[in-house]
Amino acid sequence: AQKITQTQPGMFVQEKEAVTLDCTYDTSDQSYGLFWYKQPSSGEMIFLIYQGSYDEQNATEGRYSLNFQKARKSANLVISASQLGDSAMYFCAMRGSPAYSGAGSYQLTFGKGTKLSVIP
Amino acid sequence: ETGVTQSPTHLIKTRGQQVTLRCSSQSGHNTVSWYQQALGQGPQFIFQYYREEENGRGNFPPRFSGLQFPNYSSELNVNALELDDSALYLCASSLESPSPLHFGNGTRLTVT
Repeated sequence: AQKITQTQPGMFVQEKEAVTLDCTYDTSDQSYGLFWYKQPSSGEMIFLIYQGSYDEQNATEGRYSLNFQKARKSANLVISASQLGDSAMYFCAMRGSPAYSGAGSYQLTFGKGTKLSVIP
Repeated sequence: ETGVTQSPTHLIKTRGQQVTLRCSSQSGHNTVSWYQQALGQGPQFIFQYYREEENGRGNFPPRFSGLQFPNYSSELNVNALELDDSALYLCASSLESPSPLHFGNGTRLTVT
């Protein structure tokens, strides 16, 4: 079974500052994928960033980077230069093996989320 | 490119009734999955369809069922609605490669 833990129910950050959202995971799969999604109050889940378990480099997408520490089973999201529009719920999610095959590999296990509030 | 669209956006039903939620996948995506998100929780996987066949299911009872059509659009049907079925229902589509799920805006279902 897979489990995602997000220990920060809510976080505050000053505009233009960086913030780290924590995520730890538990799985017995050798191959897996880790995702971060943003959910504004409108409800849509917006994909932010992806890290494969065999990827040697930490993933980056614009202002988002994923601090992947495999031995610690953590996949923290770092948002640099926070903007007011970053205020939302953020969810960490995992897709287990077979992560790189076709059908049958899209079941995501989500954490409970972290509510980020950006202060002007 | 057109994203994932869901209808309706909001729905109110009475306990015991049946409901059908609809989803139009992103163009070119042949896999669709459905998630239930209760208030204050992360989404929970209901099931997944690939080329019109269900090929993955979460811990949901048989009264949750679905269909995927040749054009890759999809339906989620819930029979004998219960109060606990009140939630945001999210549809997501994807390609076959390890690409991310693309979600719709969801349907907010309220069961009274």
